[in-house]
Amino acid sequence: DAKTTQPNSMESNEEEPVHLPCNHSTISGTDYIHWYRQLPSQGPEYVIHGLTSNVNNRMASLAIAEDRKSSTLILHRATLRDAAVYYCIPQNQGGKLIFGQGTELSVKP
Amino acid sequence: ETGVTQSPTHLIKTRGQQVTLRCSSQSGHNTVSWYQQALGQGPQFIFQYYREEENGRGNFPPRFSGLQFPNYSSELNVNALELDDSALYLCASSLDRDRDTEAFFGQGTRLTVV
Repeated sequence: DAKTTQPNSMESNEEEPVHLPCNHSTISGTDYIHWYRQLPSQGPEYVIHGLTSNVNNRMASLAIAEDRKSSTLILHRATLRDAAVYYCIPQNQGGKLIFGQGTELSVKP
Repeated sequence: ETGVTQSPTHLIKTRGQQVTLRCSSQSGHNTVSWYQQALGQGPQFIFQYYREEENGRGNFPPRFSGLQFPNYSSELNVNALELDDSALYLCASSLDRDRDTEAFFGQGTRLTVV
């Protein structure tokens, strides 16, 4: 299973964009890069995933480096509800998620 | 709302006892995974069931066992409870085992062992 490195914490202002980085230099060529987040007192929630190309959905955008050794989750306009722990997870088997420590994002009004 | 429900939400057990936690997956999801989350840590993968067969296990002893039923429900059983088993237990259902499949998590069961 690939190891990931993320900042322990980040801070953002409400309504501003947030870029959450993740290094996954040992990722295999067929692993998808998944991002989940966990709000306080809740189970993790799927955010987005991708393989090689950049991806967009209603929640966020995912930018994947050309060598796939890193990726960045982009929240275009942070809201207070986006305060959570964000995990990037290379996935080689559906449903088997190896969580790291994640990045705790705080959002200031 | 993920469509995955877990019961009970909270539970207190005594060391040495046995416990059964339950999960109801989304209809049509034939894969269920269980996770243990200690306070302040990320979730740790316990095991996965696919079509009622165990399909991978993390670094957990055999006293952690599970079952998956045809009606999309599943159980996590823990025997001989230890104090360190106190944690939030999460189940997640997935449509299948493909690498691009997303997982839907329940709210978890908070287990306290005293």
